Amino acid sequence: QQQVRQSSQSLTVWEGETAILNCSYENSAFDYFPWYQQFPGEGPALLIAIRSVSDKKEDGRFTIFFNKREKNLSLHIKDSQPGDSATYFCAASPNTNKVVFGTGTRLQVLP
Amino acid sequence: NAGVIQTPRHKVTGKGQEATLWCEPISGHSAVFWYRQTIVQGLEFLTYFRNQAPIDDSGMPKERFSAQMPNQSHSTLKIQSTQPQDSAVYLCASSPGLGGNQDTQYFGPGTRLLVL
Repeated sequence: QQQVRQSSQSLTVWEGETAILNCSYENSAFDYFPWYQQFPGEGPALLIAIRSVSDKKEDGRFTIFFNKREKNLSLHIKDSQPGDSATYFCAASPNTNKVVFGTGTRLQVLP
Repeated sequence: NAGVIQTPRHKVTGKGQEATLWCEPISGHSAVFWYRQTIVQGLEFLTYFRNQAPIDDSGMPKERFSAQMPNQSHSTLKIQSTQPQDSAVYLCASSPGLGGNQDTQYFGPGTRLLVL
């Protein structure tokens, strides 16, 4: 079963809009949630992460909103730029090094 | 700092042949991970080493796949008798091994394997 679900395979927004990528999970043992960004031909790279004790984490234009009770989280990308076009993976981890990835959301930002 | 190095970047094999994929982790990192990426399945965990010792291989197909880490500077993933369904991008990642789940994983560019 898919332990980490990303509701959209793809998302298209216009430059300057806020892109919202959604994610949900099943395992209550997950307590660390990194988001990875992947450009074509490259490996994923850590973008931003949140622990389950927090409900919000902000880093520049990127913000994670986390709802522990509902077991979901979202990544908001403010003022989206064409250079943000990439695939975004939501991931989750219990208190180990093993990380479970979602299937990814391909974001396209149109100029 | 060269990052995680994976070789070859692309490999084409015939059905039934063996494929060996190489990974050089970031110097000083003690944890190495292997993943398989496909359009359908996304990123699948395969196996994980810490200080060269195998820790978790729960994602490895039990037949035909094996991974080793003979020294701290490289790890290999070997696929015997390759099948078309093995076609995927194989990603290696390393992390400093600081402990706990906030140990950031740094990924290599991947090896794209195509089995004809």
